Amino acid sequence: DAKTTQPPSMDCAEGRAANLPCNHSTISGNEYVYWYRQIHSQGPQYIIHGLKNNETNEMASLIITEDRKSSTLILPHATLRDTAVYYCIVRVRESNYQLIWGAGTKLIIKP
Amino acid sequence: DAGVIQSPRHEVTEMGQEVTLRCKPISGHDYLFWYRQTMMRGLELLIYFNNNVPIDDSGMPEDRFSAKMPNASFSTLKIQPSEPRDSAVYFCASSLSDRAGNTIYFGEGSWLTVV
Repeated sequence: DAKTTQPPSMDCAEGRAANLPCNHSTISGNEYVYWYRQIHSQGPQYIIHGLKNNETNEMASLIITEDRKSSTLILPHATLRDTAVYYCIVRVRESNYQLIWGAGTKLIIKP
Repeated sequence: DAGVIQSPRHEVTEMGQEVTLRCKPISGHDYLFWYRQTMMRGLELLIYFNNNVPIDDSGMPEDRFSAKMPNASFSTLKIQPSEPRDSAVYFCASSLSDRAGNTIYFGEGSWLTVV
């Protein structure tokens, strides 16, 4: 089973920051949080990952709470092309660190 | 740099026929994964290889499914005989290792329809 909880859907206005939450209350100290997204009819696309510290790359920022029980993916200036299903995944030791996929959050960017 | 390359992108076949899906991982990656995605079950790991050797095939649904990796740059997933319930999108992915800090990159998928 996926070890994360995400809202099933969210809306965001084009040009605004999209903030996608994820709860992972059972995360252990050496388990990474990964974010992928899947745009319709395409393969899952890697976005970002982190362990303890906040991370930023050209696509997004990842904010992890100090207790590591939750995180937020931030798309700073959402465009229509960011409409996709976003998956938050914790790679847990008991699954041999494999990607265990939940249902994700369907993010719809509105003009 | 080329990503994970899969073929065919789309396949429609009749029940009972053999289906072969192909994958070329990212050069230098030593882990290769096969996933299946359906509306009912979402994304599921079928099997993965390390240095061309199958490590875990517990996700393979039944004996009709088989996967091989004859060399570091090629893998196949075969279904024989195919059934309508095998209709799904099959993704291949690769990574430098299976450690938690190493990213897994996906191909664009092979859309299989069995009629």
